[in-house]
Amino acid sequence: QKEVEQDPGPLSVPEGAIVSLNCTYSNSAFQYFMWYRQYSRKGPELLMYTYSSGNKEDGRFTAQVDKSSKYISLFIRDSQPSDSATYLCAMSGMGAGGTSYGKLTFGQGTILTVHP
Amino acid sequence: EPEVTQTPSHQVTQMGQEVILRCVPISNHLYFYWYRQILGQKVEFLVSFYNNEISEKSEIFDDQFSVERPDGSNFTLKIRSTKLEDSAMYFCASRADSGNTIYFGEGSWLTVV
Repeated sequence: QKEVEQDPGPLSVPEGAIVSLNCTYSNSAFQYFMWYRQYSRKGPELLMYTYSSGNKEDGRFTAQVDKSSKYISLFIRDSQPSDSATYLCAMSGMGAGGTSYGKLTFGQGTILTVHP
Repeated sequence: EPEVTQTPSHQVTQMGQEVILRCVPISNHLYFYWYRQILGQKVEFLVSFYNNEISEKSEIFDDQFSVERPDGSNFTLKIRSTKLEDSAMYFCASRADSGNTIYFGEGSWLTVV
């Protein structure tokens, strides 16, 4: 079983749609959960991070973590064509001092296209 | 906004040649990383570096790879004898001492021919 699994898509939605992106994982040691956005041939750009289970909202983006199911989600409301990118989930354990451990394990990435 | 900068953006090299990829992490960050992404595949961890030494490395990071912080601002990845399978995008990343977020550079695209 892969440590982190993410449906690669591609996912195509009309502008204004609600987008749901998901990852599952197998490693119980993961405590920090991140979502990155990556444009073609560019570096991953951090969108959100969440510690342990729960929800976190930032503008049009909501991240959810369910550690009991080992399942994380990213919701994008009112999606825009500028949201078109690859979305990567990433996870890490807990390092010294309670901060995230720097070794991130990434999902495959989901390619999202929002068409006008 | 502070950012991680990487050079070169793209390098083509002959198989067997040495390559050095350079990074300038965010200035107050203390943890440094190299990741790589082979075309169409996942972003993979290579190595983490803290307090002038490697803190962890993956199986990919074998003896042909090395990292160095030659001065107070640069962080380099050296590949001694490149192979075709080293062709990938290499990302440098950094993190503050008390922070939870890892910031990535734009990447250096390495093509080995």
